[in-house]
Amino acid sequence: DAKTTQPPSMDCAEGRAANLPCNHSTISGNEYVYWYRQIHSQGPQYIIHGLKNNETNEMASLIITEDRKSSTLILPHATLRDTAVYYCIVRFSNTGKLIFGQGTTLQVKP
Amino acid sequence: NAGVTQTPKFQVLKTGQSMTLQCAQDMNHNSMYWYRQDPGMGLRLIYYSASEGTTDKGEVPNGYNVSRLNKREFSLRLESAAPSQTSVYFCASTGPGGGNEQFFGPGTRLTVL
Repeated sequence: DAKTTQPPSMDCAEGRAANLPCNHSTISGNEYVYWYRQIHSQGPQYIIHGLKNNETNEMASLIITEDRKSSTLILPHATLRDTAVYYCIVRFSNTGKLIFGQGTTLQVKP
Repeated sequence: NAGVTQTPKFQVLKTGQSMTLQCAQDMNHNSMYWYRQDPGMGLRLIYYSASEGTTDKGEVPNGYNVSRLNKREFSLRLESAAPSQTSVYFCASTGPGGGNEQFFGPGTRLTVL
């Protein structure tokens, strides 16, 4: 599974969009990009995943660059409850295994 | 649905004691996983079970054993606990195909003195 690089921490003002970057320059053609978050030592929560195209669901949007070497998770209107550690993970969809890095700690401020 | 449940929530052991962490899911998922999370770190995979009757090692299997008792249950056993095994343990499961999201339990906080 490809390694990912994320900034250790970011701040965002409440109500603004939070843009969390992730580099995965060694990603292979059939590896997916997954995002999870962990709120205050709870179990991680799935957010979104994608292969090549941009994806959107009720929680977030995922923008993947054309060369697939980086991606951005967008929380369109961050709230205080979005304060969490966000993990970007790349993996083959059929292995099921997730390899977590240290993630980005997002602090949403009033 | 209860999702993924774990017992106990907290446990304190002395060095050398043994214990089993229990995990169960009611989502009819094929695959189940055990992770550990040390303070300030991401999760690391200990063992996983792709389907009932199979288990495989993850990143950090030493000092642990697992049993996939049936489709619902996946237990993690520490035969002789060590202080280095002080951690939060998470169980997770995922549906058919392995490409779906993983659902995580609330965790077991284990301290080994």
